Amino acid sequence: AQTVTQSQPEMSVQEAETVTLSCTYDTSENNYYLFWYKQPPSRQMILVIRQEAYKQQNATENRFSVNFQKAAKSFSLKISDSQLGDTAMYFCAFTNFGNEKLTFGTGTRLTIIP
Amino acid sequence: KAGVTQTPRYLIKTRGQQVTLSCSPISGHRSVSWYQQTPGQGLQFLFEYFSETQRNKGNFPGRFSGRQFSNSRSEMNVSTLELGDSALYLCASSRGQAADTQYFGPGTRLTVL
Repeated sequence: AQTVTQSQPEMSVQEAETVTLSCTYDTSENNYYLFWYKQPPSRQMILVIRQEAYKQQNATENRFSVNFQKAAKSFSLKISDSQLGDTAMYFCAFTNFGNEKLTFGTGTRLTIIP
Repeated sequence: KAGVTQTPRYLIKTRGQQVTLSCSPISGHRSVSWYQQTPGQGLQFLFEYFSETQRNKGNFPGRFSGRQFSNSRSEMNVSTLELGDSALYLCASSRGQAADTQYFGPGTRLTVL
């Protein structure tokens, strides 16, 4: 069974700083996908970034980037120039190729301090 | 394109009752997945429907069921409600192709008294 672990229940940083959220996962599969989702207080789950395991290049979306270490089964999210609107719960998620089921971590509550 | 919509947004029921939640996917999406979110258990996968067929199922009791219609809209039903069923129920849609990104609706907050 696949598992996703987020070891940081809460984090807080000053506005404009850079923050890194950690995620590790466990799987015996070779072809899979990893995601970071953001859930602000409004509760709507929003996709932040996606990484295909077969791609060596780390995914980037504007201020958001990942550090994907396949051998270490690590998938961290870096938020640069953090903004107040980044305040949210962040969930790391995993899915196997050919499977719609997402397995989520327990989440990291990120607070951006003005 | 309109996003995923869920109705109702809030629901209060009493133990023993049953409830039906509805999800309308993004236009063109044929896969709908349901998740339960609670403070204690986090986000857990309930089931996934694709082209009116249940394609994947999580580890939930038979009281939890679902269906999908020909227009890809989906409903989930919970019978004989228990206090522990109080949760945010999230629906997500995708095209249903291999590892396609899932887009979530705003959720239905169910409270069981």
